[in-house]
Amino acid sequence: DQQVKQNSPSLSVQEGRISILNCDYTNSMFDYFLWYKKYPAEGPTFLISISSIKDKNEDGRFTVFLNKSAKHLSLHIVPSQPGDSAVYFCAASATGNQFYFGTGTSLTVIP
Amino acid sequence: GAVVSQHPSWVICKSGTSVKIECRSLDFQATTMFWYRQFPKQSLMLMATSNEGSKATYEQGVEKDKFLINHASLTLSTLTVTSAHPEDSSFYICSARDPHRLAGVYEQYFGPGTRLTVT
Repeated sequence: DQQVKQNSPSLSVQEGRISILNCDYTNSMFDYFLWYKKYPAEGPTFLISISSIKDKNEDGRFTVFLNKSAKHLSLHIVPSQPGDSAVYFCAASATGNQFYFGTGTSLTVIP
Repeated sequence: GAVVSQHPSWVICKSGTSVKIECRSLDFQATTMFWYRQFPKQSLMLMATSNEGSKATYEQGVEKDKFLINHASLTLSTLTVTSAHPEDSSFYICSARDPHRLAGVYEQYFGPGTRLTVT
């Protein structure tokens, strides 16, 4: 049972424009959410996180939005850069220990 | 950020043999490490939680006798795939939590992964 879902397997965006990656979850007990970036044959790299007490967290070009009532979070990257091309995973946790990952969205930023 | 290493990065083995994968936290002590498995175009699936000095906690459906986990020190956890079969071929990734980092308490730092191919 996939508790965290990323329904878009891929996304292409022009350089300089905004990239919006979406993630939905089903478990209302999740209270901590993270986004990871992953290059092929490498481990995921932590990008940004948000706890359930917030609805927005910003770090440079990256902003994560959380809509608890919709059980939805999104990652905004603006402006998008070619180096942002990678697979992005969202993850959720209810205990801070076990993470549930989405299936990933492959972002391609076109120069 | 914190660094987690894995060794080897890629291993090919014959069916029926065992393979050991090491996960090390290089600049912090990790009381808890996690082992994940990723199939192509799928999400990372948590296999087990490795606790230093105690038995690992396995997720439902993961054979603990096949995937042996040992967390002998605060900087090293090992995953041994015993009697490997072709269906065990996958990308195995470990992660560790730095308990002393207050910011992003729930952050996990991932290793680069190990590609296992069983022929």
